[in-house]
Amino acid sequence: AQSVTQLGSHVSVSEGALVLLRCNYSSSVPPYLFWYVQYPNQGLQLLLKYTSAATLVKGINGFEAEFKKSETSFHLTKPSAHMSDAAEYFCAVRAEGGGNQFYFGTGTSLTVIP
Amino acid sequence: DSGVTQTPKHLITATGQRVTLRCSPRSGDLSVYWYQQSLDQGLQFLIQYYNGEERAKGNILERFSAQQFPDLHSELNLSSLELGDSALYFCASSVSGRVSGELFFGEGSRLTVL
Repeated sequence: AQSVTQLGSHVSVSEGALVLLRCNYSSSVPPYLFWYVQYPNQGLQLLLKYTSAATLVKGINGFEAEFKKSETSFHLTKPSAHMSDAAEYFCAVRAEGGGNQFYFGTGTSLTVIP
Repeated sequence: DSGVTQTPKHLITATGQRVTLRCSPRSGDLSVYWYQQSLDQGLQFLIQYYNGEERAKGNILERFSAQQFPDLHSELNLSSLELGDSALYFCASSVSGRVSGELFFGEGSRLTVL
C-alpha cells in the first residue's frame, strides 16, 4: 500500500525567501510522485512529477523537487518565494498494483509575507 | 485549461434534495476519478471509473452514486443531501495504461446545502 505524509499543514515564508514543503511517502514498490498546486477556488494543477528518469525534477513556476529513496522523501523547493506562490500544495503517490490509485497528502497551505 | 470540464460550477440546494454533477474527461482519457474536498476532511477520493466500469471505491457514501457513460462522460449523483455534503467536488481524468500518468483536474463543482 502507498501513502503520503505532508509535514506542516501551514507554512509561512517571506517574499524572496526559500520555500520548502515537505513530503514523505510510503511504498513497497517503486513510486511515481507528484506535486500539485491549488489556487483559491480553482482545481488542482500539476507542478511536477517524478517518474524515475531523474531524481531532481524541475517543474513550473520555478519549483523543483528531489526524490530521495533513502529518506523516502520528495520535498518541494523554490529558491525565492513570490506573492503569487500563495496556495495549497498537495503531494501524491501512485504505484503499480493496488488499482494504480493516487494517494494524496493532506496538503500544505503556503502563505507568502510581503 | 486541463481539458476536464465540470458542470455546474456552483450549486445551491436544500437538505434532502438530490443533485447531479457532470464531468467530461480529457479527450482520449478512459479513467475518471471523483474527489470531494471540504475544509475539515481535505481531499477525499470517492470513486474511479475506467471505460464505463467501476474500478475503485473510496470514501463514498451510500447516498452517493456515479456512473460513466459510453461517451466517457461521468455523472456523480448525490441524494438525501445533508449540510455536511457541502463541499467542492472534483473530477479528474488520467492517461490510460500509464501508471506514471498524472491526474488532470477540472475546476470543480461547489455544492452548498442549506
